[in-house]
Amino acid sequence: GENVEQHPSTLSVQEGDSAVIKCTYSDSASNYFPWYKQELGKRPQLIIDIRSNVGEKKDQRIAVTLNKTAKHFSLHITETQPEDSAVYFCAESGTYKYIFGTGTRLKVLA
Amino acid sequence: DGGITQSPKYLFRKEGQNVTLSCEQNLNHDAMYWYRQDPGQGLRLIYYSQIVNDFQKGDIAEGYSVSREKKESFPLTVTSAQKNPTAFYLCASGPVGSSYEQYFGPGTRLTVT
Repeated sequence: GENVEQHPSTLSVQEGDSAVIKCTYSDSASNYFPWYKQELGKRPQLIIDIRSNVGEKKDQRIAVTLNKTAKHFSLHITETQPEDSAVYFCAESGTYKYIFGTGTRLKVLA
Repeated sequence: DGGITQSPKYLFRKEGQNVTLSCEQNLNHDAMYWYRQDPGQGLRLIYYSQIVNDFQKGDIAEGYSVSREKKESFPLTVTSAQKNPTAFYLCASGPVGSSYEQYFGPGTRLTVT
């Protein structure tokens, strides 16, 4: 069935370093790949997304890359700050239904 | 996402009782969704609706029911048939068409004892 594998499950980085989270999906019909940030006890917030006709998208310190051939996409956060600490979820979608990854807990150490 | 509201924020019920969680949006979105999130885990889809008076089961619909009588509202009922109802419930909405963004409400934390 459809699934999304997300790695790593936890990630600790020093403030100012970069963080990379990777997701692999199985449905070749998927064409939309959002990333969400969720702080403890709060709602997931959409931080960046990419569509299948694009290989890379950047928004300030955040970027997402997509490799459709290999069926994986990655979130890159540069110059990490303590406020980047949260759980990050990837998702993939070919229609209205999302399949979410299991999440990555990012800790940025000051 | 400020246009999606869920109430209440915390809800406590005794085992065997049905409970209804509210979700309202004023973003004029056609699609609405209900997810369940357990501690340390991802989001699992319970039900979704693309249009008024129509909805589909998600991956874990057993023990839940929904209605979509109005575009703005998509209430979720957790029935006594749901074996492990204690969880964080998130409602989302999004446009229908070429984009599939989903925007989440603040969530309802349900505790059943």
